[in-house]
Amino acid sequence: QQQVKQSPQSLIVQKGGISIINCAYENTAFDYFPWYQQFPGKGPALLIAIRPDVSEKKEGRFTISFNKSAKQFSLHIMDSQPGDSATYFCAARSETGANNLFFGTGTRLTVIP
Amino acid sequence: NAGVTQTPKFQVLKTGQSMTLQCAQDMNHEYMSWYRQDPGMGLRLIHYSVGAGITDQGEVPNGYNVSRSTTEDFPLRLLSAAPSQTSVYFCASSATSGGETQYFGPGTRLLVL
Repeated sequence: QQQVKQSPQSLIVQKGGISIINCAYENTAFDYFPWYQQFPGKGPALLIAIRPDVSEKKEGRFTISFNKSAKQFSLHIMDSQPGDSATYFCAARSETGANNLFFGTGTRLTVIP
Repeated sequence: NAGVTQTPKFQVLKTGQSMTLQCAQDMNHEYMSWYRQDPGMGLRLIHYSVGAGITDQGEVPNGYNVSRSTTEDFPLRLLSAAPSQTSVYFCASSATSGGETQYFGPGTRLLVL
């Protein structure tokens, strides 16, 4: 059973556009929500993360929006660039489970020049 | 620092063969983990360790063994490989069991025939 549901599976965006990836969870014990970026042939790398005590976190062109009551969070990539083309994974960590991450199924983003 | 290193990069096994995937980190991280990545399923936790001598099971531990004799190394053993274990395997580490950023290795691509 997938603990973190992610959509869409793939996304094609024009250069300069906004990319939006959504995730949802059920476990209210989750206390940390990171997003990882993975380029082909590489391991995932932390992009940005949020805790449930804030509703939004912005780092450069990347923003996480968090809705605690709906148990949903999303990644917005503003002014998307071809170099952003990668697979993005949302994840969640339980406050009781060491540092184990539960990942979404991933979104393959393609930014067209 | 080399970060998290994994060997080999690619391996082909026959059903029933055994092998060990190596993982090492030079960041003095307490927490280490193994994930497998399969298309459409994201990354799933196999085993993890919160320190030398301490290991525990993740979501999909069957068919895999681990040990943690040193802080630096966390090998993953396949005792009798099966085609269902064809996957890309990632090792990750973080500073403490509550540390937030997990650093991933480059991955090992395993094909079981």
